[in-house]
Amino acid sequence: NAGVTQTPKFQVLKTGQSMTLQCAQDMNHEYMSWYRQDPGMGLRLIHYSVGAGITDQGEVPNGYNVSRSTTEDFPLRLLSAAPSQTSVYFCASSYHPFSTDTQYFGPGTRLTVL
Amino acid sequence: TQLLEQSPQFLSIQEGENLTVYCNSSSVFSSLQWYRQEPGEGPVLLVTVVTGGEVKKLKRLTFQFGDARKDSSLHITAAQPGDTGLYLCAGLYNAGNMLTFGGGTRLMVKP
Repeated sequence: NAGVTQTPKFQVLKTGQSMTLQCAQDMNHEYMSWYRQDPGMGLRLIHYSVGAGITDQGEVPNGYNVSRSTTEDFPLRLLSAAPSQTSVYFCASSYHPFSTDTQYFGPGTRLTVL
Repeated sequence: TQLLEQSPQFLSIQEGENLTVYCNSSSVFSSLQWYRQEPGEGPVLLVTVVTGGEVKKLKRLTFQFGDARKDSSLHITAAQPGDTGLYLCAGLYNAGNMLTFGGGTRLMVKP
């Protein structure tokens, strides 16, 4: 089991560029989510999915899009990067949403927007 | 937005010392989790507490859930350099709601 994998590990963008952060899990988890982590602010939920074809917004969704065409993959798209999106991004998965299930996190993508 | 306050934000101690970190909210949790995050990695779950007054032990780590389920603490006995990391609490206010994370306590244990 690879668990939750994320690519790339690091990325530098210029303001206005677009990119996709990849996330995949091999644990057959229904629930997947994207968080951003900024100093002193813990993890904030961007978007989540409770199954293939179903996505919803979290606490800070503006500027980000997601889709879930398969159980395994949950990419996060930045349509027009802004310096405020400089952060570390984590993808997570679990069997059930909004529960005490263990959430498994990927290693993160460190994004810098110039 | 419901807030989880963690304190202290930073803690630097010598190996062998004891420490306690706190996680507080003005609202009642249905459950609470503690995670540890090492540099360059994602958070890893340490424990989940669900019952008011519950105490769970994980080797030298003791987790307590407040009787009113509004607060939690993590106590580390005889800290080791391997305990260094960011400790995050995450609360579930109601089943069906999103998990809310605190800002974290960054712990450094010096040899």
